Amino acid sequence: DAGVTQSPTHLIKTRGQQVTLRCSPKSGHDTVSWYQQALGQGPQFIFQYYEEEERQRGNFPDRFSGHQFPNYSSELNVNALLLGDSALYLCASSLERRGSYNEQFFGPGTRLTVL
Amino acid sequence: AQSVTQPDIHITVSEGASLELRCNYSYGATPYLFWYVQSPGQGLQLLLKYFSGDTLVQGIKGFEAEFKRSQSSFNLRKPSVHWSDAAEYFCAVLRGSGNTGKLIFGQGTTLQVKP
Repeated sequence: DAGVTQSPTHLIKTRGQQVTLRCSPKSGHDTVSWYQQALGQGPQFIFQYYEEEERQRGNFPDRFSGHQFPNYSSELNVNALLLGDSALYLCASSLERRGSYNEQFFGPGTRLTVL
Repeated sequence: AQSVTQPDIHITVSEGASLELRCNYSYGATPYLFWYVQSPGQGLQLLLKYFSGDTLVQGIKGFEAEFKRSQSSFNLRKPSVHWSDAAEYFCAVLRGSGNTGKLIFGQGTTLQVKP
């Protein structure tokens, strides 16, 4: 049973560029959440996708956008990159079950460096 | 606003010694609380969680945690630490309802294990 996978593993970009990160959820999962983890910090929630729509969003600017595909995989897009966007980006998937907590399973992350 | 505080940024213990990692939360109602571990190059792995009921919860890898409402704490413990426990540990609280909730993480505690 494949867990959550993310690509690429590492990425180097320059300021002002745009980046796309990808996530495949754990088999059977239909909900994807994205987190940003800056160096020395805990992960911060960016947004969550369910049924191909953004269901909830954290305190991140509009430069951060996402998409969920019919196969439940997801992309995170960041435009106009800033040095402060350098971080580990984590994807977490879960199975939607109304009325109960849906455990989130995390991928290994994509390390983004902005120069 | 909900928040999670991990007072100890870095802890060093000898192999075989006991361990306690501190976590304090601020939340009005009974929180859903979690402890995650992150090894280098790995995603977050859930160690244990507390939703309700018995305030002492058992997790994987020999870890346990105790929920103390009067102290707003959810400290992680292990009676005898192994070298493989060296990692980053994160305490988290769930904000929102079960199926749409987002995890709010503490800053993390880095555990170093001396031989």
